[in-house]
Amino acid sequence: GESVGLHLPTLSVQEGDNSIINCAYSNSASDYFIWYKQESGKGPQFIIDIRSNMDKRQGQRVTVLLNKTVKHLSLQIAATQPGDSAVYFCAEIRDSGGGADGLTFGKGTHLIIQP
Amino acid sequence: DTAVSQTPKYLVTQMGNDKSIKCEQNLGHDTMYWYKQDSKKFLKIMFSYNNKELIINETVPNRFSPKSPDKAHLNLHINSLELGDSAVYFCASSQAGGRHYEQYFGPGTRLTVT
Repeated sequence: GESVGLHLPTLSVQEGDNSIINCAYSNSASDYFIWYKQESGKGPQFIIDIRSNMDKRQGQRVTVLLNKTVKHLSLQIAATQPGDSAVYFCAEIRDSGGGADGLTFGKGTHLIIQP
Repeated sequence: DTAVSQTPKYLVTQMGNDKSIKCEQNLGHDTMYWYKQDSKKFLKIMFSYNNKELIINETVPNRFSPKSPDKAHLNLHINSLELGDSAVYFCASSQAGGRHYEQYFGPGTRLTVT
């Protein structure tokens, strides 16, 4: 079936630099795209979402960009901090209207912050 | 206060055994989920429940049976455990409706089948 995938399994950046995590998706029928962060030994944590009819959404230190032409999603983290070290997953969801749809996750990118 | 809790955190058992994992959420959410994360960290939806009713049942062996005694609890029972069942199992919950993609995950249960 269709799935969400990631370009790079590991990304290493210097503390204070900006990070960009990329994701390619194939399901053009998705209604929302979401980024989750998973720290070691913990469950995934919601970061930010973007609706399929939007191009850009900003949160606190994070920006998500959606390019529907090339089916590409990215997460930009400004001024990375040690606490940003984690595995980042992109996910997509199709809203069936039932309010209980499961997330389809990509493979994850491990973000490593170098001091 | 833990929003979504799971017990046990670790579970080591032998092939052929039956085991259960419990999940509770105190967020007042109507929808709960079970996900499986394999050794390569790939996360996959298994089940979702909305107000105690099964909504999603992905291609999961029928050895896996979720049970929701009330809206705040969703347990996962696994019969005749196999080596391939070894994984981390995450429970999650969300508000029903528009923002159900914002899911709150528990800490996970690491199941090891020997």
